[in-house]
Amino acid sequence: DVVMTQTPVSLSVSLGGQVSISCRSSQSLVHNNGNTYLSWYLQKPGQSPQLLIYKVSNRFSGISDRFSGSGSGTDFTLKISRVEPDDLGVYYCGQGTQYPNTFGAGTKLELK
Amino acid sequence: EVQLVESGGGLVQPGRSLKLSCAASGFTFSNYYMAWVRQAPTKGLEWVASITNSGGSTYYRDSVKGRFTISRDNAKSTLYLQMDSLRSEDTATYYCTRGTGSPWGQGVMVTVSS
Repeated sequence: DVVMTQTPVSLSVSLGGQVSISCRSSQSLVHNNGNTYLSWYLQKPGQSPQLLIYKVSNRFSGISDRFSGSGSGTDFTLKISRVEPDDLGVYYCGQGTQYPNTFGAGTKLELK
Repeated sequence: EVQLVESGGGLVQPGRSLKLSCAASGFTFSNYYMAWVRQAPTKGLEWVASITNSGGSTYYRDSVKGRFTISRDNAKSTLYLQMDSLRSEDTATYYCTRGTGSPWGQGVMVTVSS
């Protein structure tokens, strides 16, 4: 199975600040078709997860450009700029390149 | 509006069965892979199973293989998860999600306990 290692486990940020979350996979996430199925999700308190970024760097419909994804192969990053109160929650990376699909353990974003 | 609504959760004894349903609306259900993902209390996300748009292929995590069955009825735009031989470690909120990663349903709680 592909192990997804997310760091840090938690982050404290001031409103308006910028943060980065790292996600590393134990194997390359490049699919045979050339796509890299690495996604980022945010789960706000008491809510279902919501998709932020798909295929490494594509913002999902309606997602602010304050969120950006980058990376390749086994090393990926989510950056959030100008943090707002509504950004708080747990961020997960997830891979859909191979079965079983797997997720990182999550990064909790809190206010400083 | 694209929407997924799960139902069928509840409290069940170990070894018993439960069937979850996920009603889809707002999109052409038969065009999409679908998946079930679960989240144990205070834990992270764990993929459970996926099914192709036609239902012709299914995929499971090892811990549920042989006990859970994912299926779909494209005429009814509904996804199912038949859960047999339930164990305490299956206790979780179960979400259905479109294969693209969005949307996710509101989740349904399954508690396996005597």
